[in-house]
Amino acid sequence: GEDVEQSLFLSVREGDSSVINCTYTDSSSTYLYWYKQEPGAGLQLLTYIFSNMDMKQDQRLTVLLNKKDKHLSLRIADTQTGDSAIYFCAETPTDKLIFGTGTRLQVFP
Amino acid sequence: NAGVTQTPKFQVLKTGQSMTLQCAQDMNHNSMYWYRQDPGMGLRLIYYSASEGTTDKGEVPNGYNVSRLNKREFSLRLESAAPSQTSVYFCASRKTNRNEQFFGPGTRLTVL
Repeated sequence: GEDVEQSLFLSVREGDSSVINCTYTDSSSTYLYWYKQEPGAGLQLLTYIFSNMDMKQDQRLTVLLNKKDKHLSLRIADTQTGDSAIYFCAETPTDKLIFGTGTRLQVFP
Repeated sequence: NAGVTQTPKFQVLKTGQSMTLQCAQDMNHNSMYWYRQDPGMGLRLIYYSASEGTTDKGEVPNGYNVSRLNKREFSLRLESAAPSQTSVYFCASRKTNRNEQFFGPGTRLTVL
């Protein structure tokens, strides 16, 4: 079955790096995504990685993909209070997105 | 471009009442989706529409119906609301390349 797993909570100090992990199940996903949800809002696409890539960097964000272990991670450098949100990874084995449960990132001063 | 819009933003229903959640997108996307979000469960797909005139069940369709009125609009109907349908409902539309989905702001529904 389809099951994308994430830890539920992460707490980091402002200025530190955050690493959010995700384990997915379907190796046929062409793209893997990270979405961000701020309180009371919908989901916004944060970044994505094509399945034939190992790493993608976009300013403070680094996505690492380990296809062998079906493991995806999102690293946020110099984490700020504005990064506090829920982060969802998602796989796309078909034309539908399969979301993880979300990781709530809390940034404290 | 407004992107994906949803109405209403909040709704309180009594058990057994019916209502329709509205969704519209102005990005000329073919595919549209309805999800529900519950604490600790991520987003679960209720129904989707790959193109105008077609709809398909997702993971949790029971208790819901949908209508793809035209390319822009995709509505979700609760015929007889139940407390288990208390949730936040999100509509999304999909850009064909990269499978990227764009989300509306959500409707927070409480069924008493």
